[in-house]
Amino acid sequence: DTGVSQDPRHKITKRGQNVTFRCDPISEHNRLYWYRQTLGQGPEFLTYFQNEAQLEKSRLLSDRFSAERPKGSFSTLEIQRTEQGDSAMYLCASSLAPSGRYEQFFGPGTRLTVL
Amino acid sequence: AQKITQTQPGMFVQEKEAVTLDCTYDTSDQSYGLFWYKQPSSGEMIFLIYQGSYDEQNATEGRYSLNFQKARKSANLVISASQLGDSAMYFCAMREGGFKTIFGAGTRLFVKA
Repeated sequence: DTGVSQDPRHKITKRGQNVTFRCDPISEHNRLYWYRQTLGQGPEFLTYFQNEAQLEKSRLLSDRFSAERPKGSFSTLEIQRTEQGDSAMYLCASSLAPSGRYEQFFGPGTRLTVL
Repeated sequence: AQKITQTQPGMFVQEKEAVTLDCTYDTSDQSYGLFWYKQPSSGEMIFLIYQGSYDEQNATEGRYSLNFQKARKSANLVISASQLGDSAMYFCAMREGGFKTIFGAGTRLFVKA
């Protein structure tokens, strides 16, 4: 089964350090999404790619955050100069378009803890 | 303004009984999609069911059904014959436009043996 995978699953870092997360979507999916989820909340949209093009970024995504999907396959999310408020679960999802339903298939997430 | 509202932070249901999880939404779009996802303690989001705004019939997927009342802007999830494995967080979500999906705050369901 080749579902959405994310690496690493857990990351502990010190404030001020840079971190990078990777997401591998379902192979035929052309859309890829990043979300952030804090405890007790639903996922919050961060950004979205169609193939290699980043088509939307949330205002939640400060200039310390950058995402890429260089060849329209895997994606990376980098957080520079991490802050304690960045501690959260970072979820990646993918979907296939055009598709009438657009349901997104989620990966297991990367849990970030900033000390 | 909050676009997805789930008013039940927690719900209890007896095993084998049915339960309804409430969801109301707000949009001015004519075309939108509504989803329910399940998130067990393991953390992974699992797609359950989808309802398109133009679908005339309520969606069903096995033990899950979506009670779609367009005029009331509600999209409640009904789980029939609850099982212990149904204990999890449940999120209602709405897709506006082509891709952006907004999630509610979730309802935690506890299934009692």
